[in-house]
Amino acid sequence: DAGVTQSPTHLIKTRGQQVTLRCSPKSGHDTVSWYQQALGQGPQFIFQYYEEEERQRGNFPDRFSGHQFPNYSSELNVNALLLGDSALYLCASSWDRGLGNEKLFFGSGTQLSVL
Amino acid sequence: ILNVEQSPQSLHVQEGDSTNFTCSFPSSNFYALHWYRWETAKSPEALFVMTLNGDEKKKGRISATLNTKEGYSYLYIKGSQPEDSATYLCAFLYNTNAGKSTFGDGTTLTVKP
Repeated sequence: DAGVTQSPTHLIKTRGQQVTLRCSPKSGHDTVSWYQQALGQGPQFIFQYYEEEERQRGNFPDRFSGHQFPNYSSELNVNALLLGDSALYLCASSWDRGLGNEKLFFGSGTQLSVL
Repeated sequence: ILNVEQSPQSLHVQEGDSTNFTCSFPSSNFYALHWYRWETAKSPEALFVMTLNGDEKKKGRISATLNTKEGYSYLYIKGSQPEDSATYLCAFLYNTNAGKSTFGDGTTLTVKP
């Protein structure tokens, strides 16, 4: 049973470029959340996708957008990259049982460097 | 803005020592608290899901307690081993959705043989 997989593992971009990160959730999971982790800080919630729609969003600008596909996989897109977007991007999946406290299963992350 | 604080930021102990660290969170609008362990070069892994005041959870040598009225949770490790070396994160949920967790900055534990 594959866990949460993310690609690519590492990525180097320059300011102003656009990037797409990908995530496949754990088998049986229908909900995907994205987090940004800057060095020395905890993960910051970007947004969550459920049933192919953005269900919740954190305090991130519109440059950050996403998508969820019918197979529950998800993409995170960041436009007009800034130096401050350099971070580890984590994808987490869960199965929505309506309890609201389901634990998250994380991928290993994509390390994005913006030069 | 929710404030979830973890202390200490880092901890160095000898193998066999017992240790504990703290997660502080808003005492109002509590829904759940998660603890995660994040080993270097791996993914964060859930340890505990805590929902009720007075909850106590245990997994091997690791245990956690929860006080929602005063807004804190303790994580205890009994007889630390080098394989316990990791960053321990707590995540506070004020909404009925685990995805929108507010994480602390973590406590990094190093256990020396």
